[in-house]
Amino acid sequence: NAGVTQTPKFQVLKTGQSMTLQCAQDMNHNSMYWYRQDPGMGLRLIYYSASEGTTDKGEVPNGYNVSRLNKREFSLRLESAAPSQTSVYFCASSKRDLLNTEAFFGQGTRLTVV
Amino acid sequence: KNEVEQSPQNLTAQEGEFITINCSYSVGISALHWLQQHPGGGIVSLFMLSSGKKKHGRLIATINIQEKHSSLHITASHPRDSAVYICAVPESNYQLIWGAGTKLIIKP
Repeated sequence: NAGVTQTPKFQVLKTGQSMTLQCAQDMNHNSMYWYRQDPGMGLRLIYYSASEGTTDKGEVPNGYNVSRLNKREFSLRLESAAPSQTSVYFCASSKRDLLNTEAFFGQGTRLTVV
Repeated sequence: KNEVEQSPQNLTAQEGEFITINCSYSVGISALHWLQQHPGGGIVSLFMLSSGKKKHGRLIATINIQEKHSSLHITASHPRDSAVYICAVPESNYQLIWGAGTKLIIKP
């Protein structure tokens, strides 16, 4: 039972490079989320997908794009990485909305942009 | 906008002690989440509750909707309980407002 799987776990990018963070869940959850966590700060929502086929901006969407490829997978793309995007990124999923269900988190991706 | 406050910010205790972490919020809610972030960074959901009390092993979470307050208790604390404990409340169906977290250290 893998839960939420994120790849890669670590990544170093040069400024201006692009990359995609992958996330997959095997719990048949409807909703998926991408967060970033910076030192000394709480989690901030980048984008979420309430259900397959829909995506919405969160608190800090600038510089990111997402794709809900199917019910299992939700990817986060950085088109032109900037040092300000150095962070730990977490993917999460929930069966339904967060008023009614818990969120399950991936192990995180530590991204450094130099 | 709801404000979420946790106390204490830091807590150091001896193994075996009873631990209480508090969370208060300013606007009425229908649910509250407690999560644990391990020293290695992983995040685990501990509880989601909307009323009363929930228990899982040595962890107990309570919520008082009228007083806008929730507590997380750990009985018979153990060094492996050392982590950051975070409460969060829904701002909308899919967005949470996060508390600043309580860093707990349990000494052997």
